[in-house]
Amino acid sequence: NAGVTQTPKFQVLKTGQSMTLQCAQDMNHNSMYWYRQDPGMGLRLIYYSASEGTTDKGEVPNGYNVSRLNKREFSLRLESAAPSQTSVYFCASSEGLYYSNQPQHFGDGTRLSIL
Amino acid sequence: RKEVEQDPGPFNVPEGATVAFNCTYSNSASQSFFWYRQDCRKEPKLLMSVYSSGNEDGRFTAQLNRASQYISLLIRDSKLSDSATYLCVVKLLNSNSGYALNFGKGTSLLVTP
Repeated sequence: NAGVTQTPKFQVLKTGQSMTLQCAQDMNHNSMYWYRQDPGMGLRLIYYSASEGTTDKGEVPNGYNVSRLNKREFSLRLESAAPSQTSVYFCASSEGLYYSNQPQHFGDGTRLSIL
Repeated sequence: RKEVEQDPGPFNVPEGATVAFNCTYSNSASQSFFWYRQDCRKEPKLLMSVYSSGNEDGRFTAQLNRASQYISLLIRDSKLSDSATYLCVVKLLNSNSGYALNFGKGTSLLVTP
């Protein structure tokens, strides 16, 4: 049982390049999330998808777009990468954000460096 | 004021010690509370949910004080393998604020032989 799978695990980009981070979960979860984690900042929510077909902005959405391709997959796109987007990106899923005590399960992260 | 605040530590304790972590949250409408553990360069993993009556899982005890907006995690008989960063997480979902899952910055624990 893979849980939450993120690809790629590492990526180096040049400023202005675009790329898509992929995330898939095999737990039949309804809700999926994208976070970034920076030193001294903790985890911050970029976008989330409460259910298939819906997406909403989180705390730090600027510079990103997302697509909930189907129930399993939730991708994060950087259209024009900037050095400020250098970070570790985590995808997570949960049974449903409307279930109070259901935890989130995280992928093992994508380390993204933008030069 | 940050939504969730934790003492960043680091806490350096010897094996076998008892250590307590504290966390405060700012929004009184917060609904769900969790402790996550994150090892260096790894993803966060759920340690335990925190219930209003307090709850225990082996050597770990979590407490919630809604009146003071305060959450705690107690680790008894610390093991070397407990060395990690512990994240306090608070969930809010309502018609006014929408959805938010707020993470503390984490408290670093190092258990030494």
